[in-house]
Amino acid sequence: QKEVEQDPGPLSVPEGAIVSLNCTYSNSAFQYFMWYRQYSRKGPELLMYTYSSGNKEDGRFTAQVDKSSKYISLFIRDSQPSDSATYLCAMIDYGGATNKLIFGTGTLLAVQP
Amino acid sequence: DVKVTQSSRYLVKRTGEKVFLECVQDMDHENMFWYRQDPGLGLRLIYFSYDVKMKEKGDIPEGYSVSREKKERFSLILESASTNQTSMYLCASSSGGAGHFGDGTRLSIL
Repeated sequence: QKEVEQDPGPLSVPEGAIVSLNCTYSNSAFQYFMWYRQYSRKGPELLMYTYSSGNKEDGRFTAQVDKSSKYISLFIRDSQPSDSATYLCAMIDYGGATNKLIFGTGTLLAVQP
Repeated sequence: DVKVTQSSRYLVKRTGEKVFLECVQDMDHENMFWYRQDPGLGLRLIYFSYDVKMKEKGDIPEGYSVSREKKERFSLILESASTNQTSMYLCASSSGGAGHFGDGTRLSIL
């Protein structure tokens, strides 16, 4: 079983839709949770970064962490064509023996104008 | 502003060559990582380093080695390049928080 599972998509939505992207994980020691956006032929760009369970909002983006269920989500409101990209979840355990940054496989999102 | 710089965006090498990929970060981060990214396989960790001269194998270290002589620089070495090492290589760094990436090196082995 992979440590982090993410639906690869692709996910296609109309402009203005609310998008929900999700990851599950198996290691309860993960403390830090991140979402990255990656455009074609570019490196991943950090979108959101959370530490504890709960919600964190930044403009049209909301990151949600549920540690009891080992489940994280990224919501995009009023989605735009410029949001079309691959979205990667990632997590890390800084208290562990090694500080490995573990990724999901990424979800490809297409927002249709 | 955070900055992770990879020495080349595109690189073409021949089978059997020794290849060096360089990564420099300006954030004084302890941890640095090398990943490769292939369609359908996501990001796979090759090696990481949590301190100068310290290194740990990731999930796919075979055919690769690394060097970290200074805190800001982490090099990935392909000892004898093979065609199955054609890929996008991504470097990242972190320190008690989120990881930050470079723009990647698209490496082709002919």
